[in-house]
Amino acid sequence: EPEVTQTPSHQVTQMGQEVILRCVPISNHLYFYWYRQILGQKVEFLVSFYNNEISEKSEIFDDQFSVERPDGSNFTLKIRSTKLEDSAMYFCASSGVPGQGLLVSSEAFFGQGTRLTVV
Amino acid sequence: GDSVTQMEGPVTLSEEAFLTINCTYTATGYPSLFWYVQYPGEGLQLLLKATKADDKGSNKGFEATYRKETTSFHLEKGSVQVSDSAVYFCALSAPITSGSRLTFGEGTQLTVNP
Repeated sequence: EPEVTQTPSHQVTQMGQEVILRCVPISNHLYFYWYRQILGQKVEFLVSFYNNEISEKSEIFDDQFSVERPDGSNFTLKIRSTKLEDSAMYFCASSGVPGQGLLVSSEAFFGQGTRLTVV
Repeated sequence: GDSVTQMEGPVTLSEEAFLTINCTYTATGYPSLFWYVQYPGEGLQLLLKATKADDKGSNKGFEATYRKETTSFHLEKGSVQVSDSAVYFCALSAPITSGSRLTFGEGTQLTVNP
């Protein structure tokens, strides 16, 4: 069964350092997302990406964050200068199959997450 | 804005007990509603969904009915198993629009004891 894969599973970084979280979405999906979950809190939407551009972003997704689809398979989240409060579990997700139509709410498939610890 | 509220956890049950996890939502229009489950050490998996009022989603013995009048989507299972121990998330997305963000509830930790 196709799945979303994320690497690394756990990353420790020093405050102020740049970090890149990597995701390989399901190959024929059209929409890609990043969510995060701070320990003990809700899963929060960060950004969605479609047709090689950001389609929606939350207020959390400030100038420190960026996303990229550098090739046909990877989808990355970069945090430019990490802060202690960026420590969280980051989930990548993908959805949307060609031909399904834009007016059908489709299932989002999630990766296992990357636990980011900023020290 | 849109929001989802789940019953407070954690919930601890004995095997074969009846499970209810309450979920209510606030949204404009008619959102799609979902239950996701997160087993220990794994990512979020879709458990079931409903896209319009009075729809019942079901999977693996779990059920939830989209109640527009009470803005609820409560998760139920008649007889839980130890293997159902996980965190359960209620979520919604914008109506009939592909690529929409999910808005999640707080999550409810379920532990089932033998």
